[in-house]
Amino acid sequence: SQQGEEDPQALSIQEGENATMNCSYKTSINNLQWYRQNSGRGLVHLILIRSNEREKHSGRLRVTLDTSKKSSSLLITASRAADTASYFCATLLTGGGNKLTFGTGTQLKVEL
Amino acid sequence: GAGVSQTPSNKVTEKGKYVELRCDPISGHTALYWYRQSLGQGPEFLIYFQGTGAADDSGLPNDRFFAVRPEGSVSTLKIQRTERGDSAVYLCASSLTGQGGRETQYFGPGTRLLVL
Repeated sequence: SQQGEEDPQALSIQEGENATMNCSYKTSINNLQWYRQNSGRGLVHLILIRSNEREKHSGRLRVTLDTSKKSSSLLITASRAADTASYFCATLLTGGGNKLTFGTGTQLKVEL
Repeated sequence: GAGVSQTPSNKVTEKGKYVELRCDPISGHTALYWYRQSLGQGPEFLIYFQGTGAADDSGLPNDRFFAVRPEGSVSTLKIQRTERGDSAVYLCASSLTGQGGRETQYFGPGTRLLVL
């Protein structure tokens, strides 16, 4: 079963704009990760944020985590057409072993 | 080095047939994971191997699904008596040790299974 929801389901922006995606989850987590998927195939790991962290940066990516609200956001700054993909959050649940529980994903389209 | 590889890329079979999907993890990775992704959904966990043994198979939907990793490297996901509802992309991932809850899981390109 899916852990949570991602919002929005689809997002269309112009190149150079910022894109923000949100993820909500239901239960206590060990960490939360964001993945990118092109054309419904392999997933590429973007960033991992631990439950005791609040914000993390990697290049043009900024991730925040609010464990009190059980939510996370992924911000992509200065978007490029090549950022067009589906983005998924995945949680590693406390006591859940090593299996990732994925959200439903946000489809991002960056137009020239 | 090489990433996770999966074969075949695509598999078309008829309802009731048996299929095997193969995963080659990153060399030296102890942990191996199988996920299934239906159209428009996020991946869902199937099974996780630590070495040769299945440490968690709670995601396997029923006894038609079985996976092995006999030498602690390559893994095969086996589906008996396939049903149309088994159609999905089957994703394999590996991580270095599977311990600590901090590791990145590296995913393969997936096998797209279509059951007619």
